[in-house]
Amino acid sequence: GNSVTQMEGPVTLSEEAFLTINCTYTATGYPSLFWYVQYPGEGLQLLLKATKADDKGSNKGFEATYRKETTSFHLEKGSVQVSDSAVYFCALPRGNYKLTFGKGTLLTVNP
Amino acid sequence: KAGVTQTPRYLIKTRGQQVTLSCSPISGHRSVSWYQQTPGQGLQFLFEYFSETQRNKGNFPGRFSGRQFSNSRSEMNVSTLELGDSALYLCASSPSGLAGGGADTQYFGPGTRLTVL
Repeated sequence: GNSVTQMEGPVTLSEEAFLTINCTYTATGYPSLFWYVQYPGEGLQLLLKATKADDKGSNKGFEATYRKETTSFHLEKGSVQVSDSAVYFCALPRGNYKLTFGKGTLLTVNP
Repeated sequence: KAGVTQTPRYLIKTRGQQVTLSCSPISGHRSVSWYQQTPGQGLQFLFEYFSETQRNKGNFPGRFSGRQFSNSRSEMNVSTLELGDSALYLCASSPSGLAGGGADTQYFGPGTRLTVL
C-alpha cells in the first residue's frame, strides 16, 4: 500500500534561514500529496497540497513540488520565522477514505 | 465557514470507564474520519463515515466504535478504557472523502486530548 517516509528531525534553525524537510513516497499511481502542520496544542492544519505530478503546492511562503521521477514531495521555505515553529507532516491517501502520515518533523526556529 | 469542531477538548478518565467524543464537520461535508495521535505510534486511522455508513476501519480493537448522524455529526466511543488509549483524537471532514488517490482534502479539528489514569 501507499506509504510515506519523512525526515524526522528535529530541525533547529535561526530566523530567516532556508528550510527543507524531505518526504519521499511509495504509491500506486499518482495520488494527491499533502503537507499538514501542527502548532503546539492544536490539531492539524492543511499547509499545501498537490494533486498530480509536477504540480507545485504553495502557501504562506512554503512550497512543495510533486516529483514523480524521484517520488518526492519535499517541503521548502526560503526564510523561516519563529512563528513557523511546529510539527510538519507529509501525507498521502492509503486505500480508500484515509490518509497515511509520515512520523512528523519538529521544527524549532530561534530568533 | 466554521471549521471542524470537537468536544470536549480535554478529558480525564480512569481505566475501565468509557468515553464518547463528538465531532461536527464543516457545513456541507459528508465524510468524517477519526485518527488517534500518540507520541509512539504517530497518527493512526480509526474509521471513516459517510452518510451514516462506516466505509473504512483501521486496525483497532472493537472497544473503539463510532457512528454518524443524519446531519453528518459524528461520535466515537471507547469502552473499557486502557492506559494506552491516552492520546489526542482528531476528527477530519471532507466533502466526500478520499477514494483511491482522490484529491478530496481532509480538514482537521483541534482534537480531544484524552488522558486515562
